[in-house]
Amino acid sequence: GQQLNQSPQSMFIQEGEDVSMNCTSSSIFNTWLWYKQDPGEGPVLLIALYKAGELTSNGRLTAQFGITRKDSFLNISASIPSDVGIYFCAGQGQAGTALIFGKGTTLSVSS
Amino acid sequence: NAGVTQTPKFRVLKTGQSMTLLCAQDMNHEYMYWYRQDPGMGLRLIHYSVGEGTTAKGEVPDGYNVSRLKKQNFLLGLESAAPSQTSVYFCASSPNLSGYTFGSGTRLTVV
Repeated sequence: GQQLNQSPQSMFIQEGEDVSMNCTSSSIFNTWLWYKQDPGEGPVLLIALYKAGELTSNGRLTAQFGITRKDSFLNISASIPSDVGIYFCAGQGQAGTALIFGKGTTLSVSS
Repeated sequence: NAGVTQTPKFRVLKTGQSMTLLCAQDMNHEYMYWYRQDPGMGLRLIHYSVGEGTTAKGEVPDGYNVSRLKKQNFLLGLESAAPSQTSVYFCASSPNLSGYTFGSGTRLTVV
């Protein structure tokens, strides 16, 4: 089945640093989404991407849908302590199929 | 507040016991999903439903059953719990095939 490879698995950064994480797949996806999960909570949608090459921002977050439709990245600028959590990429391949999630990137921010 | 509500939030079961996890959404969403989250494994789809009265298998359906008798509710059943089913279970709903809204999870331990 389709799989998403998300990297890095974890990151430890200083407050104020920029962060970049990405997801790749051997299959084409028609939709890419990025979620954040706070401890003890369910994932919350950050950014949704629907077109190849699309670049979308949400505050300090920027995500791009790769032109090959097989990858996506998420950047966080000027990180703050509340950015701590697990970030998941998710993709939808064929129409009518459920989302497939990456294994997540755990972000730790020290002040 | 509108959203996805999961009950119970915590549960400890003995091996062989059965239980039902309830997911309720008040957003009139057609699609509902059950995922399990395990350390280092990300979110894996158990079962999903594309509308009232319908269910379909996901990536890891064995040992689970589901029912969607009412549009707003999606039940996940464990007929004979096993330690391998110790996990955090998340329910999600969506009006289309992306843009999921997640519940806050059920933490299940099988001893």
